[in-house]
Amino acid sequence: AQTVTQSQPEMSVQEAETVTLSCTYDTSENNYYLFWYKQPPSRQMILVIRQEAYKQQNATENRFSVNFQKAAKSFSLKISDSQLGDTAMYFCAFIGGGSNYKLTFGKGTLLTVNP
Amino acid sequence: SAVISQKPSRDICQRGTSLTIQCQVDSQVTMMFWYRQQPGQSLTLIATANQGSEATYESGFVIDKFPISRPNLTFSTLTVSNMSPEDSSIYLCSVSGSNQPQHFGDGTRLSIL
Repeated sequence: AQTVTQSQPEMSVQEAETVTLSCTYDTSENNYYLFWYKQPPSRQMILVIRQEAYKQQNATENRFSVNFQKAAKSFSLKISDSQLGDTAMYFCAFIGGGSNYKLTFGKGTLLTVNP
Repeated sequence: SAVISQKPSRDICQRGTSLTIQCQVDSQVTMMFWYRQQPGQSLTLIATANQGSEATYESGFVIDKFPISRPNLTFSTLTVSNMSPEDSSIYLCSVSGSNQPQHFGDGTRLSIL
């Protein structure tokens, strides 16, 4: 079974600075997908960024980028120029390459952006 | 991405009663899922809602407690039956197409007294 581990329960960063959230995973599959979701206090789950395991290039979405290290099974999220609205729980998630599309989530990291 | 409407957004219920949560999507989707998020916890998959057939439940979840319907490709319901305080959680539906990431509804915050 796949597992996703987020070792940082909480983090904080000053506004406009850069922060990196860690995620490791365990799987025996070669094809899979990795995601970062953001959950602000409004509780909505918002997709931040997605990475396909077969792509060597790291995904980027505006201020959000990932460092995907397939051999190390590591998938960290970097947030540049942090904004107050980035304050949220961030969940790392995994989907195997099979057809079931089931997401496995990490326990989450609570990120607080301080003014 | 699909627009997902989930109702109700929150409810407070008495123990022993049941509540049905609705999930409506503005386009046809292949997969629909139901998750539970207990207070301060991550999301746990309850079941995959299958169109025209019985839902596929994850370990620890049973149909008698969480009956699910999916009459078509745009709509699903989750019922939380015979509720107890331990069922107080956020319940979220999500949808996905082939090779697409999952997108979530806004969730239903359920409190049982």
